[in-house]
Amino acid sequence: EPEVTQTPSHQVTQMGQEVILRCVPISNHLYFYWYRQILGQKVEFLVSFYNNEISEKSEIFDDQFSVERPDGSNFTLKIRSTKLEDSAMYFCASKSTGRGQETQYFGPGTRLLVL
Amino acid sequence: GESVGLHLPTLSVQEGDNSIINCAYSNSASDYFIWYKQESGKGPQFIIDIRSNMDKRQGQRVTVLLNKTVKHLSLQIAATQPGDSAVYFCAEITTPNAGGTSYGKLTFGQGTILTVHP
Repeated sequence: EPEVTQTPSHQVTQMGQEVILRCVPISNHLYFYWYRQILGQKVEFLVSFYNNEISEKSEIFDDQFSVERPDGSNFTLKIRSTKLEDSAMYFCASKSTGRGQETQYFGPGTRLLVL
Repeated sequence: GESVGLHLPTLSVQEGDNSIINCAYSNSASDYFIWYKQESGKGPQFIIDIRSNMDKRQGQRVTVLLNKTVKHLSLQIAATQPGDSAVYFCAEITTPNAGGTSYGKLTFGQGTILTVHP
């Protein structure tokens, strides 16, 4: 069964450093998402991406964040200058196109720790 | 309203019992709801969904009930098994009015910790 994959599974970085989180969505999906989950809290929407552009973003997704689909298979989230409060699990999700296809499938997540 | 914090609601049941997990949503314009299961260290896993034009939907061992009048969603798990132990989240999608496009942003609820004892 196809699934969303994410790398790395864990990332430790120093405050102020740049990190890139990588995702490979399910191959025939066209909508892509990043969410994050701070320890013990609910999952929060960061950004959605469709047709090679950001379609919606939350207030969390400020100028320090960017997303890219550099090729036909990868979808990345970059944090330019990490802050302590960026420590969280980051989940990538994807869904297929078309009405009635609302189910988003999530990857296993990347645990980011900013020191 | 929703509360965010370290103290999630918990539900403890014995193996074989039926479980009911509840969720209150806040946006009366939401038109699509999903239940996700999240095991420790893993991403949310789709369980079942329901559209706002329905009030009940059944899957394998799971049933979702939607009460739009009181903005309440529930997940019923029949014959709960130890493998069902996880955090369960409801999530909603709101389609914008006036022909706006929904790109599927999910708004998650707080979550409930389900523990199944053998």
